[in-house]
Parts: sequence; C-alpha cells; structure tokens
Amino acid sequence: AQSVTQLGSHVSVSEGALVLLRCNYSSSVPPYLFWYVQYPNQGLQLLLKYTSAATLVKGINGFEAEFKKSETSFHLTKPSAHMSDAAEYFCAVTSGGATNKLIFGTGTLLAVQP
Amino acid sequence: GAVVSQHPSWVICKSGTSVKIECRSLDFQATTMFWYRQFPKQSLMLMATSNEGSKATYEQGVEKDKFLINHASLTLSTLTVTSAHPEDSSFYICSATFGVGANVLTFGAGSRLTVL
Repeated sequence: AQSVTQLGSHVSVSEGALVLLRCNYSSSVPPYLFWYVQYPNQGLQLLLKYTSAATLVKGINGFEAEFKKSETSFHLTKPSAHMSDAAEYFCAVTSGGATNKLIFGTGTLLAVQP
Repeated sequence: GAVVSQHPSWVICKSGTSVKIECRSLDFQATTMFWYRQFPKQSLMLMATSNEGSKATYEQGVEKDKFLINHASLTLSTLTVTSAHPEDSSFYICSATFGVGANVLTFGAGSRLTVL
C-alpha cells in the first residue's frame, strides 16, 4: 500500500520568505510523486511531478521539489513566497502504470503574510 | 493543453432527490476517469475509477448504488448521487487521463453539492 504524510496542516510565511512544505511517502514500489495546488472552490493544478528521472524537479510558479529516497521525502520549496501562493497544497503518490490512482496527503494550507 | 470540464460547478438540492454531475474531457479522449470526494478542509478521497465502456471500480466503503458512475463515451463520465442526503454534501472532483502511466492526469474544477 502507498501513502503520503504531509507534516503541518497549516504553514504561515512572510512574503519574500522561503516556503517549505513537507511530504514523506511510503511505497513498496518505486513511486511517482506529485504536488498539486488548490485554490478555494477550484480543482487541482499540477505544480510538479517526479517520475523516476531527475531527483530535483522544477515546477510552475517557481516551485521545486527534491526526491530523497533515503529519507522517503519529497518536500516542496520556493525561495521567495508571493501573496498569490496562498492556497492548499497536496502531495500525492502513485505507483504508475495504467491505473493512475493517486493517493493524496491531507494537505497543507499555506498562508502568506504581507 | 488537456482540459477537463465539470458541470454543474454548484448544485443545491433537496434531501431525497438525485443529482447528476458531468465530467467531460474537452480536447482529448479520456480512457480512464477518476471521481474524488473532498470534505471541507480535508484531502481528496478516491471514490471510483471509471473506464470507458465498462463498469466503474469502486473503492472500499463507497456505495455503488448510492454513487452511480457511467462512462459511456471517451469524453464523458457522469456521477449520479442518488437519494441525496445532507451527509452527501461535499466537493466532488473528477480527473481524466488519456495515456498509460502516472503523469497524464487532468483535473476538473470540481462540483460543490449541497443537500438541504
């Protein structure tokens, strides 16, 4: 079985500060890992994905994440937070293949203070 | 890019009625569609996997007679919440894929159901 754990349901940063959202995964097979962003009353938008290529993955809006197998982690970072980054962020895992069944973490609500 | 449209985006209904939510892939043929449910301030829970032309595969704990899923064409899947009750009020999100592998999923904008 696969799962992801997002540490911290709420994270607050100042505008311009580093954003770090934590995600740890559990998988018995090589995982595919994803970060999605959700704005209020909207669907999910893919930020970035890891699919067994480069371990440092760059996504949209200046976000990036690093796959660390030894730590079973896939933390999301952004060097400088912007007010528009305030949203809910979900980490997700799948084993790949034809099913594409994503298992989501519980989400982290990011607040950006002026 | 790939676009998935959900309709309606908002729906309010009376308890005991049935509600249908549509999920359409606008510019690609979706071989597989997924239906998720999201309660307020919670994560997305997979309800079922729908493959075109075959019966949906429901996750454990999801009532298939309560949540009817139809995927009659490569561009349309529908979720019908039958005899809706207030506890069915939730945000329902679909996603669709057109390829084999885990990196070609597109999500709809979601449908918020409120049952009075």
